[in-house]
Formats: sequence, C-alpha cells, structure tokens
Amino acid sequence: RKEVEQDPGPFNVPEGATVAFNCTYSNSASQSFFWYRQDCRKEPKLLMSVYSSGNEDGRFTAQLNRASQYISLLIRDSKLSDSATYLCVVSLSGGYNKLIFGAGTRLAVHP
Amino acid sequence: NAGVTQTPKFQVLKTGQSMTLQCAQDMNHNSMYWYRQDPGMGLRLIYYSASEGTTDKGEVPNGYNVSRLNKREFSLRLESAAPSQTSVYFCASSATPGYNQPQHFGDGTRLSIL
Repeated sequence: RKEVEQDPGPFNVPEGATVAFNCTYSNSASQSFFWYRQDCRKEPKLLMSVYSSGNEDGRFTAQLNRASQYISLLIRDSKLSDSATYLCVVSLSGGYNKLIFGAGTRLAVHP
Repeated sequence: NAGVTQTPKFQVLKTGQSMTLQCAQDMNHNSMYWYRQDPGMGLRLIYYSASEGTTDKGEVPNGYNVSRLNKREFSLRLESAAPSQTSVYFCASSATPGYNQPQHFGDGTRLSIL
C-alpha cells in the first residue's frame, strides 16, 4: 500500500465548476499536511498547508480528517489556469523534514 | 527572485558515464533535499542535508552521492549512470528541518541515460 494515495484522474471539468480531490495517508504519525500544485514539466509549488480546523484560501478549501486519515481539497469556480496536477503531501515527525508525496491528481479545466 | 536554481536543465548520458547535478538556493535556508520524480509515482527522496555539514540517505540513495558544499549549495553525483536513473531530478530547500516547514523546489533537471 502506498503511504499517500490519490486518484490519478484526470478530472475534466468546465470552467466555473466545483471539484474536489481526496487523499488518504497510511501513517498515523503524520504531523503536517500540504497541497502542492505541479504544472506540466514544472516544479511542484506549495498551494496551501492543511490545518486540523480546515482552512480556506480564496477559491481553495482544504480539510483534514485525522481519524479517517484523509485530506481533501475543494476548488470552487474553476479557472482554466487551475489546470495542473495536485500533489497531496504529508510530513512525518522525527529528525528531519520528511515529506511523503502522493503521485498526484490531474485536473483539466475546459472552456 | 531566484529561489532554488538547478543546473543543467537537460542532460543525456551514456550508461557508465558520471555527472554532477548542481543546486543552489539564495533564501538562507538550512535544509536541502534531492528528489527524483518518475511517471505515476510521487517524488522520492534521494538524499537530504538537514544543515550545513550534514548529509543523510533518503528513500532511494543507491547509485548517488551528495555534497553539501556550503549553506547555499547541495550537489548530487551519479558515479556510473544506469538507465534506471533516467528521471526528473528536483532540488528543494526549507528554512529548517522541522516537519511543518514547506519545501521550495528548483525547476528540475531532466536526465536521460542511454
């Protein structure tokens, strides 16, 4: 079983749609959680951290459910520029900043 | 805003050749990392340096060596390249080794081993 699992997609949605991605992680010792965005043939970039209480940044909302060990990302009012791969990332405690990356979920927003 | 700079951006090698990938950051970060990314897989950590003067193995260190030259620079060396090392390599840095620190990535080196 992969440590961080994501639906690879692709999710094909029209502009203006709301889309949600889920991610599950296997290690209950995971301490911190992030969503990164990766455009085609580019580097991953931090989209947002995910806090236990849930957090929002403009059109993006992230939720964490520690009991069920899953993380979600909701994108409202999708834009063409949201087309990318979204990486779910968890961090384990102890020693160093060990990030475990999911393989990513691809989103394609069309006109 | 340079951030994390990697060189070269592209490289083709023959099996058995050696090369060094260079990485430099200008954010005064303490920790630096090397990852590889293969199709259908998440990024996997090769080596990391929690602070200047220290390096440690990550998840997939075999076939690689690293040098933390100073606080800014962290290089990755392939001593005898193999086709299985064909991948996209990313260098990253974070302010501290702490688990709540996001990492900032360079734009990658695309390496092909023939």
